[in-house]
Amino acid sequence: SQQGEEDPQALSIQEGENATMNCSYKTSINNLQWYRQNSGRGLVHLILIRSNEREKHSGRLRVTLDTSKKSSSLLITASRAADTASYFCALISNFGNEKLTFGTGTRLTIIP
Amino acid sequence: GAVVSQHPSRVICKSGTSVKIECRSLDFQATTMFWYRQFPKKSLMLMATSNEGSKATYEQGVEKDKFLINHASLTLSTLTVTSAHPEDSSFYICSARAGDLSNQPQHFGDGTRLSIL
Repeated sequence: SQQGEEDPQALSIQEGENATMNCSYKTSINNLQWYRQNSGRGLVHLILIRSNEREKHSGRLRVTLDTSKKSSSLLITASRAADTASYFCALISNFGNEKLTFGTGTRLTIIP
Repeated sequence: GAVVSQHPSRVICKSGTSVKIECRSLDFQATTMFWYRQFPKKSLMLMATSNEGSKATYEQGVEKDKFLINHASLTLSTLTVTSAHPEDSSFYICSARAGDLSNQPQHFGDGTRLSIL
């Protein structure tokens, strides 16, 4: 399967704490992307990290990629109530298939 | 940033009705558009990929005669659920990509919640 598996499935933390979500996959990838989905809405693109990159930052977000372990993590620092959402990793494989395959998602709840 | 508009946001209709969902890229030309289906608290399942001016490519298990996709221009793709039944009730989301490169992010519409009575 080219689908990513996310861990944990659900995470609840206090506002101000850091949240870390992990994504593991089995295939060789071209790039890996993280998206956020608020309840009942579409997805918002957060960060794209290419297979030759190890870390990327965007504001309070930090994404790491370890291709040897076939895993990625998304760190949200100084969480806010507005960060409450589902977070999905999605990957593009190297097998000539340009389809974005989504992981199972992590449901993040920030407690005010 | 790139904006994708999806319409309608919610549809409630009787069994047997055909429903059309529109997906428009508002400020960029979308070479490729994607249609997904999402069940409650689940991930997105790709239904089909559409390229402007050509036939859509459907994923295994998705009935192309049931889910008609048209990508007539670089800014518009439509998904028609024909003769919808209660099992077609779901959240349908479209996305668009500006270029042909897979290292471009996809931009998503806000989804359409379809409820078939």
